[in-house]
Amino acid sequence: GQQLNQSPQSMFIQEGEDVSMNCTSSSIFNTWLWYKQDPGEGPVLLIALYKAGELTSNGRLTAQFGITRKDSFLNISASIPSDVGIYFCAGQPEAGNMLTFGGGTRLMVKP
Amino acid sequence: DGGITQSPKYLFRKEGQNVTLSCEQNLNHDAMYWYRQDPGQGLRLIYYSQIVNDFQKGDIAEGYSVSREKKESFPLTVTSAQKNPTAFYLCASSVSRQPQHFGDGTRLSIL
Repeated sequence: GQQLNQSPQSMFIQEGEDVSMNCTSSSIFNTWLWYKQDPGEGPVLLIALYKAGELTSNGRLTAQFGITRKDSFLNISASIPSDVGIYFCAGQPEAGNMLTFGGGTRLMVKP
Repeated sequence: DGGITQSPKYLFRKEGQNVTLSCEQNLNHDAMYWYRQDPGQGLRLIYYSQIVNDFQKGDIAEGYSVSREKKESFPLTVTSAQKNPTAFYLCASSVSRQPQHFGDGTRLSIL
């Protein structure tokens, strides 16, 4: 099955820095989701985007639904150690409940 | 609290043995899903079920089986035909086209 192209695969940053990651697809999606997974746990939903061009924030996190509906971006401002984890994007097509996942971005934060 | 419960947290399988992973949800969600996650990889869909007594194969169903006799339960059996079962298994559920919610996973290893 298709996977989304998520980049970067990993990031090692200093505490306090801003972070950007993105997902691209050859297909159009109607919904974009961003999840965070802590080690040994299941992914937890961070942000859901439902409209092309939509910009949504959740605390220090901001995500955008690309205008072409083929991409999405997640930004984290002023990173802190607890931001460490794997961030996944997921796209949902117009019909059905199935999600297509990106390969994940592993974020490491140096105190 | 409502949620998705996966058990056991850790599971070991001997050669030629079938093992069953449990997934229970009390969210009253209609749809349930099983994913496999390998180190450094995204999530791949094994099986999904939209309603009771019905389920469909995902991208990597070979060597796995499921049942959906009750709305709240969706057990996954890893059969001896699955030659590379070592992975982290995640169960999820959703209602309508709302985002999927995940359990905390089961880590399966080979003895």
